[in-house]
Amino acid sequence: DIQMTQSPSSLSASVGDSVTITCRASQSISASLNWYQQRSGRAPKLLIYAESGLQSGVPRRFSGSGSGTDFTLTISSLQPEDFGTYYCHQSYSFPYTFGQGTKVEIK
Amino acid sequence: QVQLVESGGGVVQPGRSLRLSCEVSGFTFSSYAFHWVRQAPGKGLDWVAAISYDDNNEYYAESVKGRFTISRDSSKNTLYLQMDSLRPEDTAVYYCAREMWERNGPFDYWGQGTLVTVSS
Repeated sequence: DIQMTQSPSSLSASVGDSVTITCRASQSISASLNWYQQRSGRAPKLLIYAESGLQSGVPRRFSGSGSGTDFTLTISSLQPEDFGTYYCHQSYSFPYTFGQGTKVEIK
Repeated sequence: QVQLVESGGGVVQPGRSLRLSCEVSGFTFSSYAFHWVRQAPGKGLDWVAAISYDDNNEYYAESVKGRFTISRDSSKNTLYLQMDSLRPEDTAVYYCAREMWERNGPFDYWGQGTLVTVSS
C-alpha cells in the first residue's frame, strides 16, 4: 500500500498569511494527488485534483504543486473560512489512501 | 443539482450485519465509479471500497475484504455497502463519494455521511 505522510499535523496562522502543507508518498504516484478540506462534522470538499487542478468554485488562493512523491498545498492569503482539516489523497493505485490530515486554525 | 444521500446507519452488535445505501441524483449514475470512505470518531479519512462505472470491478481495503461488499443498482440510482461480521473498529461515519473520472480520479461529490456504531 502507498503511505501518505502529511506535515505539519496542525498549524495556527493569521488572516492574510501564506500557508503551506506538504504531503509525501511512499512511492511515486505520478500526478494522482488530490487535496480536500473538511470542516468539523461535514463531508470533505475537493479543492485540488491531479496535483494542481483547481476544482470549480474553489478560490484561487488555493494552489497545488509537486510531482512523483512530494506535493504541496498552498493557501496564499489565509481567510477566516479556511479553518478545518486538510487531507491529501492518492488515487494512483488501489487501495487508495489518505494522509493523516493537517488541522488549520486561525489565530 | 448533484446529490448523494446515504442511509442505513445505526447501532449494531459485533458480528451482525448492516447495509448502507447511497441514493444519487442530478447526474447519470451509470457513467461514474463510486467509493465508500469512512471516518472513525476523531480520526482521519479511511478508504473502504470502490466499484467501477460498469459494475465489472470492485476493490476493497484489506481491513474489510471478505466482510464488506460494494454493489450498485442503476435502476434505482443507488450504491450499496453490505457490511457483515461487523467489528467495533468498523465504528465510523461512512461517506459515499463519486469519482470524477474513471481511473485515478478524485472524489468530486460526497454524501453527508451516515454513522455506524458497532457495540454490544
